[in-house]
Amino acid sequence: DGGITQSPKYLFRKEGQNVTLSCEQNLNHDAMYWYRQDPGQGLRLIYYSQIVNDFQKGDIAEGYSVSREKKESFPLTVTSAQKNPTAFYLCASTPSGTASFRNQPQHFGDGTRLSIL
Amino acid sequence: AQSVSQHNHHVILSEAASLELGCNYSYGGTVNLFWYVQYPGQHLQLLLKYFSGDPLVKGIKGFEAEFIKSKFSFNLRKPSVQWSDTAEYFCAVNAEVSGTYKYIFGTGTKLKVLA
Repeated sequence: DGGITQSPKYLFRKEGQNVTLSCEQNLNHDAMYWYRQDPGQGLRLIYYSQIVNDFQKGDIAEGYSVSREKKESFPLTVTSAQKNPTAFYLCASTPSGTASFRNQPQHFGDGTRLSIL
Repeated sequence: AQSVSQHNHHVILSEAASLELGCNYSYGGTVNLFWYVQYPGQHLQLLLKYFSGDPLVKGIKGFEAEFIKSKFSFNLRKPSVQWSDTAEYFCAVNAEVSGTYKYIFGTGTKLKVLA
């Protein structure tokens, strides 16, 4: 079955350390997204990519970085500059990043829970 | 700025009670509207969506939502909830923001249904 795979499920970060969260999809979707979910704040967009080798900052991009070298992969790095990284991170995708996808729902992965040691 | 408001953060109901979760958005242009559900330990999944046509849309598991354009609302309803409806519910809007289509999520409503 097609879907989005996020790994690891749980991740621990030491102070000053960068960590990378994996997101892989086999849905052949062009657009991919990273969200951060905090209690009482819903989902906030970190970065998104409408096509390979292109990505844009979302609403809370500071302290994060991404790459989109392959269509199926959109890894998120949480850098040491992110002072409050403890959260649940969700990756999502849609068929396209253009106006034609406006009525398409997002497909979500199972998420990665990041905690600070 | 565009936003989506879910005013009920926590809702507790008994089985067979009726449910209505509020969702209001602030955006003057054309929008597509979604409700997602996140069951405990599971990923977010689509409950229903509206993009045109009949403003009353039906989704999975007996849920429905009504788009009222004049009120900028897209409230979720279910006539009789079950214990298995215990989950977190998110309203989302897909709209054009600065030339790009983005999804904007509400803060979520945690529903607990008592058996």
